[in-house]
Amino acid sequence: KQEVTQIPAALSVPEGENLVLNCSFTDSAIYNLQWFRQDPGKGLTSLLLIQSSQREQTSGRLNASLDKSSGRSTLYIAASQPGDSATYLCAVRDSGNTPLVFGKGTRLSVIA
Amino acid sequence: KAGVTQTPRYLIKTRGQQVTLSCSPISGHRSVSWYQQTPGQGLQFLFEYFSETQRNKGNFPGRFSGRQFSNSRSEMNVSTLELGDSALYLCASSSQGTGSYEQYFGPGTRLTVT
Repeated sequence: KQEVTQIPAALSVPEGENLVLNCSFTDSAIYNLQWFRQDPGKGLTSLLLIQSSQREQTSGRLNASLDKSSGRSTLYIAASQPGDSATYLCAVRDSGNTPLVFGKGTRLSVIA
Repeated sequence: KAGVTQTPRYLIKTRGQQVTLSCSPISGHRSVSWYQQTPGQGLQFLFEYFSETQRNKGNFPGRFSGRQFSNSRSEMNVSTLELGDSALYLCASSSQGTGSYEQYFGPGTRLTVT
């Protein structure tokens, strides 16, 4: 059974700092991995989707990498801003017809 | 393109009642999934519908049910509500045609059971 872990559970950084959020999964035979952002009480916003054949994806100040063999993904946020404060969730899909399995998320606070 | 919409956004019910939540997917998306989010358990998968058929089901009691209509809109129903059903219920849709299976989420329905 796939399990997804995100460490740390919470992170506080000063504005402008580059940071890395970690995600690990137990079964490396995944179909894709998706990173989401969630603001308090709101739905999830898709940030990046990495297919199993890809090593990384970039969108603006965000870069996500995938290492299937080690069961890890990282989300790199460059030059963090207070508006980046949110909970970041990692989710893995084992095959095209199976549901996403989510980690518990990392709550990020960027201090001005 | 309009995003995933969910109605109502907030609900307050009492124990023993039943509730129906609605989800309209992104136009052209045929897969709709439902998730329950609580502070203790995080995001847990309820079920997924594709072309009006339940394709996957999570580990929830039979009080939780759903359906999908021919226009891909979906509803989920919870009968005999319990206090522990208080949660944010999220709906997500995805397009299967491109093969990416990227999921897009709605704003959620906040259910409070008293």
